[in-house]
Amino acid sequence: DIQMTQSPASLSASVGETVTITCRASENIYSYLAWYQQKQGKSPQFLVYNVKTLAEGVPSRFSGSGSDTQFSLKINSLQPEDFGSYYCQQHYGTPPTFGGGTKLEIK
Amino acid sequence: QIQLVQSGPELKKPGETVKISCKASGYTFTDYSMHWVKQAPGKGLKWMGWINTETGEPTYADDFKGRFAFSLETSASTASLQINNLKNEDTATYFCARNDYGTMDSWGQGTSVTVSS
Repeated sequence: DIQMTQSPASLSASVGETVTITCRASENIYSYLAWYQQKQGKSPQFLVYNVKTLAEGVPSRFSGSGSDTQFSLKINSLQPEDFGSYYCQQHYGTPPTFGGGTKLEIK
Repeated sequence: QIQLVQSGPELKKPGETVKISCKASGYTFTDYSMHWVKQAPGKGLKWMGWINTETGEPTYADDFKGRFAFSLETSASTASLQINNLKNEDTATYFCARNDYGTMDSWGQGTSVTVSS
């Protein structure tokens, strides 16, 4: 199985700041990388697919980048609604696998 | 709009069976396979497998072979997850999610299953 490693595991930031979350794959997944946001007690929400394509309705302050094994999700000008957990997921191989998650908290 | 509505929370004893349903609306059910994802308390997301909603063929992740079964009621646009012989470690929230080229583009609200004697 392809292992996905996210960092950091947790992150504290203020409204208005810019943050970056990284995700590393154990093997080449080309551009088959998705990101999800999950708020406490809620289901995950689809944010990004194919590394950098935003899902419908996702604000442009979110951006994805990377290729092969190294990827990142950048959030510009953090808003209060952006706090929660973020997960990367490779959709290249079966089984699809998730990173361990990054918890983004308000400073 | 696309909606996946799951059945309500469950409290079960070890050894019992639970069946969780996921009713889809807002799209053609058989056009998209359905994933199942487990989230243990305070933990991350773990893919359990998926079911081809056109053929009914399930695929299970290695850790979910044996006691777990995916099924469909296509006429009702509903996918279901059954867990047999429940164990304490099955305590978790279970999500269904619509498959789109390996991503999960719409999610149910989750069903909490608590296993306790």
